[in-house]
Amino acid sequence: GAGVSQSPSNKVTEKGKDVELRCDPISGHTALYWYRQSLGQGLEFLIYFQGNSAPDKSGLPSDRFSAERTGGSVSTLTIQRTQQEDSAVYLCASSPRGLSGGYTFGSGTRLTVV
Amino acid sequence: AQSVTQPDIHITVSEGASLELRCNYSYGATPYLFWYVQSPGQGLQLLLKYFSGDTLVQGIKGFEAEFKRSQSSFNLRKPSVHWSDAAEYFCAVVFTGGGNKLTFGTGTQLKVEL
Repeated sequence: GAGVSQSPSNKVTEKGKDVELRCDPISGHTALYWYRQSLGQGLEFLIYFQGNSAPDKSGLPSDRFSAERTGGSVSTLTIQRTQQEDSAVYLCASSPRGLSGGYTFGSGTRLTVV
Repeated sequence: AQSVTQPDIHITVSEGASLELRCNYSYGATPYLFWYVQSPGQGLQLLLKYFSGDTLVQGIKGFEAEFKRSQSSFNLRKPSVHWSDAAEYFCAVVFTGGGNKLTFGTGTQLKVEL
């Protein structure tokens, strides 16, 4: 596609429920990243996929968070047993392998846990 | 830990005035450097990037930034600010040896007075 697409754009969920956030990167981009943006915390790195390599999961805040990338394209970020502190905007970005084009970000999913 | 510092949380300038937003990164080999802008409710838009070569880089919307190795800085400038430039600005860095992971500063909120 022309840009990075994220869905849903907004999600309200009850505490304790599981949520799935989807990211569709730019076609041909080998790298895909998830970030979280919350008040007072800025932009936090969560996880990074590069081609067929093992993902860098060093930013995931707890084992309730997981992500997968199927077929080297679409990615799903899953948050289990959501907590109020998970409320944030979740941003996805993709880039070509060589970074020459920089990172292109999607518009994000605003998650609210009530 | 490698870090990115944006010392100014808020900046207010008058329309037509010049602008400089500061960014410093923790010491290391020359990283890849980026500036992003985020308007309210929007995703992150790349303004400019530095990988190597000429230390003064030009970006979109009339912005430029200068890499100064001796100061570990990558300050963003614009000679004449427009009201539409009001937004939040993020400096971001890919540190050498850190994979392709972007590390963000905490952002500078720019207000433009008419």
